[in-house]
Amino acid sequence: DTAVSQTPKYLVTQMGNDKSIKCEQNLGHDTMYWYKQDSKKFLKIMFSYNNKELIINETVPNRFSPKSPDKAHLNLHINSLELGDSAVYFCASSQRGWGGAEETQYFGPGTRLLVL
Amino acid sequence: AQKVTQAQTEISVVEKEDVTLDCVYETRDTTYYLFWYKQPPSGELVFLIRRNSFDEQNEISGRYSWNFQKSTSSFNFTITASQVVDSAVYFCALSEAQAGTALIFGKGTTLSVSS
Repeated sequence: DTAVSQTPKYLVTQMGNDKSIKCEQNLGHDTMYWYKQDSKKFLKIMFSYNNKELIINETVPNRFSPKSPDKAHLNLHINSLELGDSAVYFCASSQRGWGGAEETQYFGPGTRLLVL
Repeated sequence: AQKVTQAQTEISVVEKEDVTLDCVYETRDTTYYLFWYKQPPSGELVFLIRRNSFDEQNEISGRYSWNFQKSTSSFNFTITASQVVDSAVYFCALSEAQAGTALIFGKGTTLSVSS
């Protein structure tokens, strides 16, 4: 009965490879997010989607492409992986509240990506 | 622009001590939300509290309490009688009251509680 789940939990890969991280939420939320946590623990938004529509697209290399097949899923595909992509990637979801503001964001367990 | 500052990078205390984690924020919005999240050594991000900018009442939940002061743009977090299990990185975050808006995180405070 996990609320926000991510797969895989760990991902070790070579430079230049293409990889995907999957995220699913069973909370019935409308909005989903991808955040990146760097080696210094700093958390920064990458993307947000509401009902499969892209809302936020921060300054992220084009090699990163989010895909939302339905409002319960938001996957992250990364092309041509680079050493600097090594980080922890967190998926989150929230419910859009009355008045349009987002309510609390709940996070998945994170995916630890290591690019060699 | 929105910004969250957690000036304390690391804090070390001994069990049963009280500890306060500071958070100062900047925003031009009149309506916004403030949050605290905990990231234990296992790595997940655990939601602790959400506060609306219109609600300056302090909140207490067990050993945890939060002090929100709009006059100083601060949202501080106090742990009373700290325990080893409180050891974690604590993040303060801010968001606008808009659809799909992201959390703006502070850099986090690492709390180490020793026995």
